[in-house]
Amino acid sequence: GQNIDQPTEMTATEGAIVQINCTYQTSGFNGLFWYQQHAGEAPTFLSYNVLDGLEEKGRFSSFLSRSKGYSYLLLKELQMKDSASYLCAVVWADSWGKLQFGAGTQVVVTP
Amino acid sequence: GAVVSQHPSRVICKSGTSVKIECRSLDFQATTMFWYRQFPKQSLMLMATSNEGSKATYEQGVEKDKFLINHASLTLSTLTVTSAHPEDSSFYICSAKQGARETQYFGPGTRLLVL
Repeated sequence: GQNIDQPTEMTATEGAIVQINCTYQTSGFNGLFWYQQHAGEAPTFLSYNVLDGLEEKGRFSSFLSRSKGYSYLLLKELQMKDSASYLCAVVWADSWGKLQFGAGTQVVVTP
Repeated sequence: GAVVSQHPSRVICKSGTSVKIECRSLDFQATTMFWYRQFPKQSLMLMATSNEGSKATYEQGVEKDKFLINHASLTLSTLTVTSAHPEDSSFYICSAKQGARETQYFGPGTRLLVL
């Protein structure tokens, strides 16, 4: 599969903002998901971006630039419960809906 | 809506035995289900794609005779790990999607430990 890159770990304090970047190769791109995964649990859906721009959902926002092969997940007003792994996943064209996941970014929220 | 369940949540078995994991979509019809495996501190790796009523499509490197997948109805897919060995110990997660909708909803996962 094609490379999907995101940082390994990010640390931020409670109440702060953190931006998790994800880059991918643009060829064959169909859409991009962000999932949250707490340790030992399955991923939960956060967002799905197909078109360029910013989509806001409460404290979480996701941005996509198709031409640049770039997305970010923005977490605002961080809470301790936001400590988790955040997975960027790409749907490629002609993949029958299969997701390719990045390695995940572990976000650590400190008091 | 969009709830996916898995059973069992945790299983311990002896080496050489077979283990069946069930994945159910509770409130929607899942035309496609996916099976993933996740090792500690690693991301999800897709094992196979299962469409209702047809044979599963396996990813490269995944042995179809070892990981048997059945998707007999629009709400149930099963993964059977045959002749399990300690290296098969992992977190197995299923997901389901409905028709042409892209979003996959994940089950809670099954933690398999083979002794």
